[in-house]
Amino acid sequence: GAGVSQTPSNKVTEKGKYVELRCDPISGHTALYWYRQSLGQGPEFLIYFQGTGAADDSGLPNDRFFAVRPEGSVSTLKIQRTERGDSAVYLCASSLFRVSETQYFGPGTRLLVL
Amino acid sequence: ELKVEQNPLFLSMQEGKNYTIYCNYSTTSDRLYWYRQDPGKSLESLFVLLSNGAVKQEGRLMASLDTKARLSTLHITAAVHDLSATYFCAVAPYSGGGADGLTFGKGTHLIIQP
Repeated sequence: GAGVSQTPSNKVTEKGKYVELRCDPISGHTALYWYRQSLGQGPEFLIYFQGTGAADDSGLPNDRFFAVRPEGSVSTLKIQRTERGDSAVYLCASSLFRVSETQYFGPGTRLLVL
Repeated sequence: ELKVEQNPLFLSMQEGKNYTIYCNYSTTSDRLYWYRQDPGKSLESLFVLLSNGAVKQEGRLMASLDTKARLSTLHITAAVHDLSATYFCAVAPYSGGGADGLTFGKGTHLIIQP
């Protein structure tokens, strides 16, 4: 079946602009995660949804970052007033809601803030 | 705060040789994951380890978990060029059940020379 999909695959924006990144999880996966990966580093956890609610948003770096998942499927990560330091690959993952389940990652959105 | 350390961070080895990548983590956990990442690609799940003494093998890769030592190993047997990639371990905090965001190591960049 289809895996996790993310759009756009690449996004170039100017400092101070607003961006939205979209994630379509694997059908039937109730848990959805956002991570950020900087060059040469491991992914860094941002936020986790169980259904429609954010179960853990402790990884969001500041209040410029916000994510929603209004219908419990597609999620949007929103970044306001982008800064150059926000440049990274934003990865989305999904899993079934069981402790043993693997998180399946999407291809990522490469964000470049000029 | 959960911290995950991998070593080595960079490894160049010859085909046919054996080697081990180590993953240490700082707090109690009941779930450890190994992922592979090829350049410019997303993360591919390799292993999920859920209990002390767990051992899983797939082809030339074998992963093990010692929860008392807070240590996991990824062993490569008779390496082949196709295994060249970056390998990440990731740990979920002990939760008693349910899904959680993962804390990743910095990754081990593995190059296998013919």
